Amino acid sequence: AQSVTQLGSHVSVSEGALVLLRCNYSSSVPPYLFWYVQYPNQGLQLLLKYTSAATLVKGINGFEAEFKKSETSFHLTKPSAHMSDAAEYFCAVTPEGYNKLIFGAGTRLAVHP
Amino acid sequence: EAQVTQNPRYLITVTGKKLTVTCSQNMNHEYMSWYRQDPGLGLRQIYYSMNVEVTDKGDVPEGYKVSRKEKRNFPLILESPSPNQTSLYFCASTPLGAGTEAFFGQGTRLTVV
Repeated sequence: AQSVTQLGSHVSVSEGALVLLRCNYSSSVPPYLFWYVQYPNQGLQLLLKYTSAATLVKGINGFEAEFKKSETSFHLTKPSAHMSDAAEYFCAVTPEGYNKLIFGAGTRLAVHP
Repeated sequence: EAQVTQNPRYLITVTGKKLTVTCSQNMNHEYMSWYRQDPGLGLRQIYYSMNVEVTDKGDVPEGYKVSRKEKRNFPLILESPSPNQTSLYFCASTPLGAGTEAFFGQGTRLTVV
Protein backbone atom coordinates (compact mmCIF):
# COMPACT_ATOMS: atom_id res chain seq x y z
CA ALA A 1 0.00 0.00 0.00
CA GLN A 2 1.09 3.53 -0.67
CA SER A 3 2.36 5.62 2.20
CA VAL A 4 3.76 9.08 2.83
CA THR A 5 6.40 10.00 5.38
CA GLN A 6 6.98 13.55 6.53
CA LEU A 7 10.20 13.94 8.47
CA GLY A 8 9.80 16.29 11.40
CA SER A 9 6.43 16.90 13.01
CA HIS A 10 7.57 20.38 14.02
CA VAL A 11 9.91 22.74 12.19
CA SER A 12 10.90 26.15 13.48
CA VAL A 13 12.63 28.82 11.38
CA SER A 14 13.46 32.48 11.68
CA GLU A 15 11.69 35.02 9.54
CA GLY A 16 13.64 35.35 6.29
CA ALA A 17 15.26 31.92 6.59
CA LEU A 18 14.91 29.03 4.18
CA VAL A 19 11.95 26.73 4.71
CA LEU A 20 12.49 23.03 3.96
CA LEU A 21 9.76 20.51 4.70
CA ARG A 22 10.53 16.91 3.82
CA CYS A 23 8.25 14.35 2.19
CA ASN A 24 9.00 10.83 0.98
CA TYR A 25 6.52 8.50 -0.63
CA SER A 26 6.49 4.79 -1.21
CA SER A 27 5.49 3.77 -4.68
CA SER A 28 6.91 1.74 -7.51
CA VAL A 29 5.03 3.94 -9.95
CA PRO A 30 5.30 7.72 -9.61
CA PRO A 31 1.95 8.87 -8.24
CA TYR A 32 0.40 12.29 -8.20
CA LEU A 33 1.84 14.33 -5.37
CA PHE A 34 0.40 17.26 -3.48
CA TRP A 35 1.26 19.71 -0.76
CA TYR A 36 -1.64 21.18 1.23
CA VAL A 37 -1.50 23.88 3.89
CA GLN A 38 -3.81 24.21 6.86
CA TYR A 39 -4.01 27.55 8.63
CA PRO A 40 -5.47 27.61 12.16
CA ASN A 41 -9.20 26.84 12.25
CA GLN A 42 -9.39 26.45 8.50
CA GLY A 43 -9.65 23.69 5.96
CA LEU A 44 -6.86 22.48 3.73
CA GLN A 45 -5.74 24.58 0.79
CA LEU A 46 -3.69 23.32 -2.15
CA LEU A 47 -0.17 24.76 -2.32
CA LEU A 48 1.04 22.84 -5.36
CA LYS A 49 0.85 19.51 -7.13
CA TYR A 50 3.03 17.27 -9.26
CA THR A 51 1.38 15.52 -12.17
CA SER A 52 4.46 14.51 -14.21
CA ALA A 53 4.58 17.62 -16.39
CA ALA A 54 7.71 19.06 -14.72
CA THR A 55 9.87 17.91 -11.83
CA LEU A 56 10.13 21.38 -10.28
CA VAL A 57 6.70 22.61 -9.35
CA LYS A 58 5.90 26.15 -8.33
CA GLY A 59 2.95 26.88 -6.07
CA ILE A 60 1.27 29.72 -4.32
CA ASN A 61 2.87 32.07 -1.77
CA GLY A 62 6.40 31.47 -3.09
CA PHE A 63 6.55 27.77 -2.33
CA GLU A 64 7.99 25.18 -4.66
CA ALA A 65 8.73 21.47 -4.59
CA GLU A 66 10.99 19.19 -6.55
CA PHE A 67 10.03 15.65 -7.52
CA LYS A 68 13.02 13.29 -7.32
CA LYS A 69 12.11 9.83 -8.51
CA SER A 70 15.46 8.29 -7.52
CA GLU A 71 14.94 9.46 -3.93
CA THR A 72 11.13 9.02 -3.91
CA SER A 73 10.98 12.51 -2.45
CA PHE A 74 8.90 15.63 -2.93
CA HIS A 75 10.34 18.19 -0.51
CA LEU A 76 8.72 21.60 -0.12
CA THR A 77 10.86 24.74 0.00
CA LYS A 78 10.55 28.49 0.26
CA PRO A 79 13.61 30.76 0.08
CA SER A 80 12.48 33.24 2.72
CA ALA A 81 9.96 32.52 5.46
CA HIS A 82 7.26 35.00 6.43
CA MET A 83 5.36 35.09 9.69
CA SER A 84 2.21 34.34 7.70
CA ASP A 85 3.65 30.96 6.65
CA ALA A 86 3.10 29.55 10.13
CA ALA A 87 0.70 26.66 9.58
CA GLU A 88 0.52 22.90 9.28
CA TYR A 89 1.66 21.39 6.01
CA PHE A 90 0.58 18.06 4.60
CA CYS A 91 2.15 16.03 1.84
CA ALA A 92 -0.24 13.67 0.05
CA VAL A 93 -0.26 11.20 -2.82
CA THR A 94 -2.99 9.94 -5.08
CA PRO A 95 -2.39 6.50 -6.53
CA GLU A 96 -2.74 6.14 -10.27
CA GLY A 97 -6.36 5.80 -11.28
CA TYR A 98 -7.82 6.93 -7.97
CA ASN A 99 -8.98 10.18 -6.43
CA LYS A 100 -8.25 9.11 -2.85
CA LEU A 101 -5.62 11.16 -1.05
CA ILE A 102 -3.13 9.42 1.23
CA PHE A 103 -1.69 11.93 3.67
CA GLY A 104 1.47 12.18 5.67
CA ALA A 105 1.25 12.97 9.37
CA GLY A 106 1.84 16.66 8.79
CA THR A 107 4.55 19.16 9.73
CA ARG A 108 3.77 22.17 11.85
CA LEU A 109 5.85 25.16 10.78
CA ALA A 110 6.61 27.91 13.28
CA VAL A 111 8.17 31.18 12.14
CA HIS A 112 9.76 33.39 14.75
CA PRO A 113 11.00 36.98 14.44
CA GLU B 1 -17.71 31.22 -5.21
CA ALA B 2 -16.64 27.58 -5.40
CA GLN B 3 -16.88 26.07 -1.97
CA VAL B 4 -17.51 23.08 0.25
CA THR B 5 -19.73 23.84 3.22
CA GLN B 6 -19.80 21.73 6.36
CA ASN B 7 -22.11 22.11 9.33
CA PRO B 8 -21.78 22.38 12.21
CA ARG B 9 -18.24 23.69 12.75
CA TYR B 10 -18.20 22.60 16.37
CA LEU B 11 -20.22 19.90 18.09
CA ILE B 12 -20.15 18.41 21.57
CA THR B 13 -22.34 15.38 22.10
CA VAL B 14 -22.80 12.45 24.44
CA THR B 15 -21.98 8.82 23.80
CA GLY B 16 -24.69 7.05 21.84
CA LYS B 17 -26.63 10.06 20.62
CA LYS B 18 -27.00 9.90 16.84
CA LEU B 19 -25.67 12.85 14.90
CA THR B 20 -25.24 13.99 11.33
CA VAL B 21 -22.61 16.31 9.88
CA THR B 22 -23.70 17.85 6.62
CA CYS B 23 -21.53 18.58 3.60
CA SER B 24 -22.50 20.40 0.45
CA GLN B 25 -20.50 21.43 -2.63
CA ASN B 26 -21.44 23.82 -5.45
CA MET B 27 -18.88 22.70 -8.05
CA ASN B 28 -20.79 19.77 -9.55
CA HIS B 29 -17.99 17.38 -8.59
CA GLU B 30 -18.57 13.67 -8.86
CA TYR B 31 -16.17 12.53 -6.14
CA MET B 32 -16.75 13.40 -2.48
CA SER B 33 -15.11 12.03 0.62
CA TRP B 34 -14.86 12.34 4.37
CA TYR B 35 -11.61 12.42 6.31
CA ARG B 36 -10.80 12.54 9.97
CA GLN B 37 -7.72 14.34 11.24
CA ASP B 38 -5.96 13.17 14.39
CA PRO B 39 -2.65 14.44 15.83
CA GLY B 40 0.32 12.53 14.49
CA LEU B 41 -1.81 10.59 12.00
CA GLY B 42 -2.61 13.20 9.37
CA LEU B 43 -5.93 12.79 7.57
CA ARG B 44 -7.45 9.38 6.98
CA GLN B 45 -10.31 8.65 4.63
CA ILE B 46 -13.54 7.42 6.22
CA TYR B 47 -15.88 7.00 3.23
CA TYR B 48 -16.04 8.20 -0.33
CA SER B 49 -18.55 8.48 -3.12
CA MET B 50 -17.89 8.49 -6.86
CA ASN B 51 -21.38 9.61 -7.78
CA VAL B 52 -25.02 9.63 -6.69
CA GLU B 53 -25.97 6.40 -4.91
CA VAL B 54 -22.37 5.11 -5.16
CA THR B 55 -20.49 5.00 -1.85
CA ASP B 56 -17.65 2.90 -0.51
CA LYS B 57 -15.51 2.46 2.57
CA GLY B 58 -12.24 4.25 3.04
CA ASP B 59 -9.54 3.31 5.52
CA VAL B 60 -11.39 3.93 8.80
CA PRO B 61 -15.13 3.37 8.17
CA GLU B 62 -16.12 1.66 11.43
CA GLY B 63 -18.82 3.55 13.30
CA TYR B 64 -19.76 5.80 10.39
CA LYS B 65 -22.36 5.85 7.63
CA VAL B 66 -22.81 8.08 4.61
CA SER B 67 -25.37 8.64 1.89
CA ARG B 68 -25.33 10.31 -1.52
CA LYS B 69 -28.87 10.97 -2.65
CA GLU B 70 -27.96 14.17 -4.49
CA LYS B 71 -24.75 15.07 -6.25
CA ARG B 72 -24.08 18.14 -4.10
CA ASN B 73 -24.67 16.60 -0.65
CA PHE B 74 -22.70 13.97 1.24
CA PRO B 75 -23.69 13.77 4.92
CA LEU B 76 -21.69 11.84 7.50
CA ILE B 77 -23.76 9.94 10.05
CA LEU B 78 -22.64 8.65 13.42
CA GLU B 79 -25.39 6.30 14.59
CA SER B 80 -23.94 5.75 18.07
CA PRO B 81 -20.95 8.01 18.66
CA SER B 82 -18.20 6.93 21.01
CA PRO B 83 -15.36 8.93 22.60
CA ASN B 84 -12.82 7.48 20.13
CA GLN B 85 -14.68 9.35 17.39
CA THR B 86 -13.65 12.65 18.93
CA SER B 87 -11.75 14.22 16.07
CA LEU B 88 -11.61 16.93 13.43
CA TYR B 89 -13.60 15.97 10.35
CA PHE B 90 -13.22 17.27 6.81
CA CYS B 91 -15.40 16.84 3.79
CA ALA B 92 -13.70 17.09 0.40
CA SER B 93 -14.96 17.41 -3.15
CA THR B 94 -12.95 16.47 -6.24
CA PRO B 95 -13.65 16.31 -9.96
CA LEU B 96 -13.08 12.81 -11.31
CA GLY B 97 -9.79 12.40 -13.13
CA ALA B 98 -6.16 11.76 -12.47
CA GLY B 99 -4.31 14.28 -10.32
CA THR B 100 -7.25 16.61 -9.76
CA GLU B 101 -7.34 18.98 -6.82
CA ALA B 102 -9.50 18.25 -3.79
CA PHE B 103 -11.46 21.13 -2.26
CA PHE B 104 -11.96 20.92 1.48
CA GLY B 105 -14.61 22.23 3.83
CA GLN B 106 -13.71 24.25 6.91
CA GLY B 107 -13.87 21.23 9.18
CA THR B 108 -16.09 20.03 12.01
CA ARG B 109 -14.58 19.59 15.43
CA LEU B 110 -16.50 16.83 17.18
CA THR B 111 -16.19 15.98 20.85
CA VAL B 112 -17.95 12.90 22.21
CA VAL B 113 -18.17 12.72 26.02
